[in-house]
Amino acid sequence: QSVLTQPPSASGTPGQRVTISCSGSSSNMRSNTVNWYQQFPGTAPKLLIYSNNQRPSGVPDRFSGSKSGTSASLAISGLQSEDEADYYCVAWDDSLTAYVFGTGTKVTVL
Amino acid sequence: QVQLVQSGAEVKKPGASVKVSCKTSGSTVGGLYIHWVRQAPGQGLEWMGRINRNSGGTNYGQKFQGRIIMTVTTDTSISTVYMELTRPTTDDTATYYCASSIGDPGFWGQGTQVTVSS
Repeated sequence: QSVLTQPPSASGTPGQRVTISCSGSSSNMRSNTVNWYQQFPGTAPKLLIYSNNQRPSGVPDRFSGSKSGTSASLAISGLQSEDEADYYCVAWDDSLTAYVFGTGTKVTVL
Repeated sequence: QVQLVQSGAEVKKPGASVKVSCKTSGSTVGGLYIHWVRQAPGQGLEWMGRINRNSGGTNYGQKFQGRIIMTVTTDTSISTVYMELTRPTTDDTATYYCASSIGDPGFWGQGTQVTVSS
């Protein structure tokens, strides 16, 4: 079961800013960094943000991440139609000695 | 260029073990571990465990303890990692991915569809 909680859905019109939250606990979020993945139907997840706020090469700077305490956020600025996908946060959990994924958020571009 | 190539789709009856392979080549960008992540139809991502490509040391998710076995074989620069799931039930029907890293830039396999059905 997921121990990181995300809203099931988020939406916005093109150009808007959308924010997705990820809530955890002291054994995962407070102790370790958070990463974010983007996934399109039928494809493998793609790393979007790592170490709380770092973008891998090739990821547009429209995507940004932040973390505070036991919560993290992914922001998409200037929303585009191609951003319509599922988004997952993930962090290492010291108590479980395992990576834990968030419940996932489906982003819809209206 | 690092590549992770997984074995093909599997159809198994409940209780019949399933074994998926992940062939890695190229540099070790993304670290020493190979992770396994699965996704049931219409569901989210679930981390299953990881194996150290060099030592063979493993960490398994609590949910899978006792019925998952990860192994690795190495031939020159190519490592093949295996993930075997024993005593599967219909709830184990999912797409299984291997990945060279979860928390850093890395590479993912193309996914292997495993169907458990009587």
